[in-house]
Amino acid sequence: GAVVSQHPSWVICKSGTSVKIECRSLDFQATTMFWYRQFPKQSLMLMATSNEGSKATYEQGVEKDKFLINHASLTLSTLTVTSAHPEDSSFYICSGAGILGTDTQYFGPGTRLTVL
Amino acid sequence: KNQVEQSPQSLIILEGKNCTLQCNYTVSPFSNLRWYKQDTGRGPVSLTIMTFSENTKSNGRYTATLDADTKQSSLHITASQLSDSASYICVVSGQAGTALIFGKGTTLSVSS
Repeated sequence: GAVVSQHPSWVICKSGTSVKIECRSLDFQATTMFWYRQFPKQSLMLMATSNEGSKATYEQGVEKDKFLINHASLTLSTLTVTSAHPEDSSFYICSGAGILGTDTQYFGPGTRLTVL
Repeated sequence: KNQVEQSPQSLIILEGKNCTLQCNYTVSPFSNLRWYKQDTGRGPVSLTIMTFSENTKSNGRYTATLDADTKQSSLHITASQLSDSASYICVVSGQAGTALIFGKGTTLSVSS
């Protein structure tokens, strides 16, 4: 099956610093990548959708200047949380979709971000 | 409003027992419904996918059913194992190109 990896798997940072999370599709070309955020005991919430080579489309309420998304290649997307604050602490999950369409998404293992 | 509701919110069962999780949705138009298993601190892993015309789909000890008329789905787990302890998420896909709609999940705990 299609595999998506994320790095790092967990990160702790100080308030005010920026953190970059990588999402890679290992064995398929992800023309579309999605970034989700999940708070404890809550479901995944879509933050943004990005197509390779294009600007990301952000969901309502998600600050595009705070959550910078780059999808420079068909196998790599990055999410940078700028000037992180404790309320940004969450579980961030990416997914990739390829030739089967955007409703067939393969999820990464997630990145736990803790902002002190 | 497109929504996916799951019940129960949490469930505790003894190892070896069976259980059934429920998913009701109001998504229209409907494309497909998936059940995912999410272990704590991990990303979701797909268990089954069903389209409008499919009534049941099995994956090992997992059997999903779909009633597109009543917009209900269930996930039945047979002979539960400790490793089945996880969150089970029902995800509905609507019109092509629109975002997936996630349920809040059912947290299953299997004890020995």
